[in-house]
Amino acid sequence: GQQVMQIPQYQHVQEGEDFTTYCNSSTTLSNIQWYKQRPGGHPVFLIQLVKSGEVKKQKRLTFQFGEAKKNSSLHITATQTTDVGTYFCAGPANSNSGYALNFGKGTSLLVTP
Amino acid sequence: ETGVTQTPRHLVMGMTNKKSLKCEQHLGHNAMYWYKQSAKKPLELMFVYNFKEQTENNSVPSRFSPECPNSSHLFLHLHTLQPEDSALYLCASSQVGLWAEQFFGPGTRLTVL
Repeated sequence: GQQVMQIPQYQHVQEGEDFTTYCNSSTTLSNIQWYKQRPGGHPVFLIQLVKSGEVKKQKRLTFQFGEAKKNSSLHITATQTTDVGTYFCAGPANSNSGYALNFGKGTSLLVTP
Repeated sequence: ETGVTQTPRHLVMGMTNKKSLKCEQHLGHNAMYWYKQSAKKPLELMFVYNFKEQTENNSVPSRFSPECPNSSHLFLHLHTLQPEDSALYLCASSQVGLWAEQFFGPGTRLTVL
């Protein structure tokens, strides 16, 4: 499958600081999805990017898809304690089903007040 | 969120036990998935079902046996597990399609003694 690498593995910020997580693939991705998992919870879909160079915003969250469609980033402006959790990117898995996903290892964000 | 439910939420079993995990989705989806989530491999795809047919077996040991009697229900039958199988088992569902987001259940926390 198309493996996606995610960095950093952990990030600890003070409330109000910005945060960015990066997702990279060695091959071109047809699309990329982002999920958030709160501590003790389950992954929840955030957004999907499809077009080269695409930028989407959700309030304080900004998602980007690289021009070559091999990388993506999630940027959170002025973090809040509610942003705590693990953020996963996921790309298509090149599988028999055609639509299974390969998830990155995630970036765990800790926000202290 | 009650779109995807999983039972039981917690399970402790011995290595010689046989148990089953159940997943049910109320979203009208036709694809269902089992994932294993552990500290070492955060979201590891195990099986994919499409319209009740298994389309993906990600080299999962035979001590894990999935069953999908219809598009709304998915089971994972467990027997002679090992302690390293202790993990959070997540079920997900989606529409069939390349761009489909996945909806996760709350997971079953499994401990193998």
